[in-house]
Amino acid sequence: AQSVTQLDSQVPVFEEAPVELRCNYSSSVSVYLFWYVQYPNQGLQLLLKYLSGSTLVESINGFEAEFNKSQTSFHLRKPSVHISDTAEYFCATGGSQGNLIFGKGTKLSVKP
Amino acid sequence: DAGITQSPRHKVTETGTPVTLRCHQTENHRYMYWYRQDPGHGLRLIHYSYGVKDTDKGEVSDGYSVSRSKTEDFLLTLESATSSQTSVYFCAISVQGATGYTFGSGTRLTVV
Repeated sequence: AQSVTQLDSQVPVFEEAPVELRCNYSSSVSVYLFWYVQYPNQGLQLLLKYLSGSTLVESINGFEAEFNKSQTSFHLRKPSVHISDTAEYFCATGGSQGNLIFGKGTKLSVKP
Repeated sequence: DAGITQSPRHKVTETGTPVTLRCHQTENHRYMYWYRQDPGHGLRLIHYSYGVKDTDKGEVSDGYSVSRSKTEDFLLTLESATSSQTSVYFCAISVQGATGYTFGSGTRLTVV
């Protein structure tokens, strides 16, 4: 069965510092992987996704993630974070019912 | 998000009362999903629909029922609300399974 593990529940970081949010997946079928972001009191927005092809995927606001099949990982990185990146980030994979299977989330807190 | 609305946005109800949450879409998407979000658990699938009158159970379906009599509406009913159903409920629509999700803004339900 598919599953996703987010290794850190909270990540505090200073503004302009680099950040990595870790995600490992388990799947016996074709792998679709996603990162969603949830700003306070809002719904979820797709940040980036890996379906096939290039293992490095990028978002429009500077985040990137790399699909690593040998390590079963899909870590999210940003070289320099801003206060506005403060949010909860969810890693997800595609389920057999056409659904998304989510990790438990990582709260990124960017401090000035 | 444009194209998907949830109502109500907030609700407080008493234990044992029935509650219905509504998800309405204007995108004519085939797939609709109900998730609940709880701290430390991420989002978990309650029920989903793959067409009018076609629904199925998700991971945490006990105590919930759904109905879809029209393409645009997907209703989630708590027959007899319990405190353990206090949560934030998200609806999602998709044209192509896990790869094309759009989330609603959520309904915050409190059962007292």
